[in-house]
Amino acid sequence: QTVVTQEPSFSVSPGGTVTLTCGLSSGSVSTAYHPSWYQQTPGQAPRTLIYSTNSRSSGVPARFSGSILGNKAALTITGAQADDESDYYCVLYMGSGIWVFGGGTKLTVL
Amino acid sequence: EVHLVQSGAEVKKPGESLRISCKGSGYTFTNYWIGWVRQVPGKGLEWMGIIYPGQSDITYSPSFQGLVTISADKSINTAYLQWSSLKASDTAIYYCARHVRDDFSLNYYFQYWGQGTQVTVSS
Repeated sequence: QTVVTQEPSFSVSPGGTVTLTCGLSSGSVSTAYHPSWYQQTPGQAPRTLIYSTNSRSSGVPARFSGSILGNKAALTITGAQADDESDYYCVLYMGSGIWVFGGGTKLTVL
Repeated sequence: EVHLVQSGAEVKKPGESLRISCKGSGYTFTNYWIGWVRQVPGKGLEWMGIIYPGQSDITYSPSFQGLVTISADKSINTAYLQWSSLKASDTAIYYCARHVRDDFSLNYYFQYWGQGTQVTVSS
């Protein structure tokens, strides 16, 4: 059973930079998993931020960026703002029409 | 503009059946995969499965295979998620999402989202 791992929680100061990561319980995340990232605030549907590792979805501010760092996918928020306080989910594409979500990271901006 | 509009909240008893819907507009419905994501109260998102309405090609997450049925009616641009016998553990918000699954561009992600359907199963 593939498990996609994320930090359960993270905090960042307003204006600061934070990097959230997305790994695998066994193995390394590479671009071949086509990692994507989603933001969800309480009571709202998810919002697509990043796809194919580092492509920003339409309308997503440039302060959100995606990459591969070591053996994990990463979402970096540069110049965090108060309304970036949300849950962030990564998703990996496993092939054959199967996707798997990570457990999500609750980001606090304080 | 692409829109995915889901059916309204449901309250059901254990053992009852249910079908919720997701209507797509603003694009050619049969040209894109559409799938379902579950969110149990207070928990994370879980990918359930997808359907390609143009060919009724369906893939389920192993975690949901046999527990739900995904279908679509391309004549009315609507995808469905169905249960034959609900359990209390099915209580969740269910989101539909238009997927991109493009072996040519190598893009695989969830591009647009519905607003979610709350399903509550309680005796």
